[in-house]
Amino acid sequence: DSGVTQTPKHLITATGQRVTLRCSPRSGDLSVYWYQQSLDQGLQFLIQYYNGEERAKGNILERFSAQQFPDLHSELNLSSLELGDSALYFCASSVARAVSTDTQYFGPGTRLTVL
Amino acid sequence: AQSVTQPDIHITVSEGASLELRCNYSYGATPYLFWYVQSPGQGLQLLLKYFSGDTLVQGIKGFEAEFKRSQSSFNLRKPSVHWSDAAEYFCAVGILQGAQKLVFGQGTRLTINP
Repeated sequence: DSGVTQTPKHLITATGQRVTLRCSPRSGDLSVYWYQQSLDQGLQFLIQYYNGEERAKGNILERFSAQQFPDLHSELNLSSLELGDSALYFCASSVARAVSTDTQYFGPGTRLTVL
Repeated sequence: AQSVTQPDIHITVSEGASLELRCNYSYGATPYLFWYVQSPGQGLQLLLKYFSGDTLVQGIKGFEAEFKRSQSSFNLRKPSVHWSDAAEYFCAVGILQGAQKLVFGQGTRLTINP
């Protein structure tokens, strides 16, 4: 158990809908990262927040957005969903703020299925 | 562009046999390299990482990896695998210049034969 929690575990929705994925980092970690894992794209870094501020941005679509709240939990919002958005979405956390060098602790993921 | 290549999509080894998983990276600067493992239904867990210094890095669960700059490689090894090592293994490189991020390879799925 990494200490990172993600809810929900599974999510099934329809095209065009909007969903919110939630992540609680390990106690004491200030950075939260979001990743998408799909069969065709592999594991891709989406975005990082550090202590409430956006820190680094990866291959995140404009239809997707994220935020980190004062209690350090984070939410990833996916809107206008398409079939291709079906994937496993991971959250990770770390103590410091360097996405490139920090040891990241991953949650169990949220599996999103868009029908 | 920065990239990580794991040439083997799937590897099968017998329990007790030695293991080597290959990883090649493409990055112009000094690389920060990682190996993560993903067990079925789980998130990723860090096995080991290399930043600088000794090019042979020891990790958890008896794994080690060797950084070879001349070959742009960071191969993962274990002298004797256990059935519990069956999982997916990901190599990653940390990008520090420009848009910082962690770039993962496509992964290698390891199956252990009893």
